Amino acid sequence: AQSVTQPDIHITVSEGASLELRCNYSYGATPYLFWYVQSPGQGLQLLLKYFSGDTLVQGIKGFEAEFKRSQSSFNLRKPSVHWSDAAEYFCAVGKNYGGSQGNLIFGKGTKLSVKP
Amino acid sequence: KAGVTQTPRYLIKTRGQQVTLSCSPISGHRSVSWYQQTPGQGLQFLFEYFSETQRNKGNFPGRFSGRQFSNSRSEMNVSTLELGDSALYLCASSKQGDLFSPLHFGNGTRLTVT
Repeated sequence: AQSVTQPDIHITVSEGASLELRCNYSYGATPYLFWYVQSPGQGLQLLLKYFSGDTLVQGIKGFEAEFKRSQSSFNLRKPSVHWSDAAEYFCAVGKNYGGSQGNLIFGKGTKLSVKP
Repeated sequence: KAGVTQTPRYLIKTRGQQVTLSCSPISGHRSVSWYQQTPGQGLQFLFEYFSETQRNKGNFPGRFSGRQFSNSRSEMNVSTLELGDSALYLCASSKQGDLFSPLHFGNGTRLTVT
């Protein structure tokens, strides 16, 4: 069965420091992978997605993620964190046949706190 | 362009009652999905509708139902509410309902069951 694991429940980084949020997935075929961000009281916003091709994908707000098939990982990175990045981040996987983005499997999320 | 609108924003119900939540997708979007978000289980897929047809359904009991109207607006209904149904219910819409159509989420309806 498909599953997504985000090992870190809560991460705190200093403003200006680099960030890496981990995501591991379990899926038999080529996965379609997504990262979403949720600010308090808000819905989710898509940061970036990977379908195929270049394994390093760029997203909005300066985020990037790297797909590593051998490690079944899709880690999210940002070189320099801003206080406004404090939010909860969700990794998700979608079926790659007959599937839609409306039927995604999400990880439990990683809450990011940013120290001034 | 208006985003995905969910009403009401907050709801308090008593165990055993039923509730209806509403979602208005972005204009032109034909697919609407619903997710339940709780601290313990995270985000769980409820169902997806495309052009008034339920296309996918998650692993929830039959107390959870939904529908989509011809204008793409969607409602979800939960009957015989249980305490465990307390959650943030998120609706998301997309243009074509396929993996290449970005999902746009509403801000959710916070349901509290007492």
